Amino acid sequence: GIQVEQSPPDLILQEGANSTLRCNFSDSVNNLQWFHQNPWGQLINLFYIPSGTKQNGRLSATTVATERYSLLYISSSQTTDSGVYFCAVDGAGGTSYGKLTFGQGTILTVHP
Amino acid sequence: NAGVTQTPKFRILKIGQSMTLQCAQDMNHNYMYWYRQDPGMGLKLIYYSVGAGITDKGEVPNGYNVSRSTTEDFPLRLELAAPSQTSVYFCASSPTGLLNTIYFGEGSWLTVV
Repeated sequence: GIQVEQSPPDLILQEGANSTLRCNFSDSVNNLQWFHQNPWGQLINLFYIPSGTKQNGRLSATTVATERYSLLYISSSQTTDSGVYFCAVDGAGGTSYGKLTFGQGTILTVHP
Repeated sequence: NAGVTQTPKFRILKIGQSMTLQCAQDMNHNYMYWYRQDPGMGLKLIYYSVGAGITDKGEVPNGYNVSRSTTEDFPLRLELAAPSQTSVYFCASSPTGLLNTIYFGEGSWLTVV
């Protein structure tokens, strides 16, 4: 099956710093999603971005489907950004019914 | 509109016991999913359903069973619990199977001792 690799595995920032998280995937995908898992375990949809660039406030994401990677940018980080960031893909090749393959996540810690 | 509701939130099981994790959604979604998340890992798909009466295996189905008798409910059954099933379980639903319309429950923490 499709492989999803995220980097870096851990990231520690001071409040106000910027960061870039990367997601590589091994095969063509129908869809790609970025999630934030907060310290209470809740999964929050950030971006649905199978290709192109999107922005939402301090967060933005870019997916280059032809090169099989996606980037999540966090600017002016805040302590509330702490948690785990997951990239998840829905593999191409027929109907996949929205079945997700997740990367292992990037653990982000933002210190005040 | 409660979204996706999972019960129980926390449970401790002894090895060999059985239990059912309940999942209900009130959004009339056709697609429902069960994932498990082991410590320090991403989620892995256990089972999914594309509509009432239709279920199929995901990546890690062994040791689990599901049923989908109604659109609203998608229970996950653990038979003969094993320590390897200690995990956090997430139920999700979607009206269309597209990632931008997927909704996750808050998770059920299960420990098998």
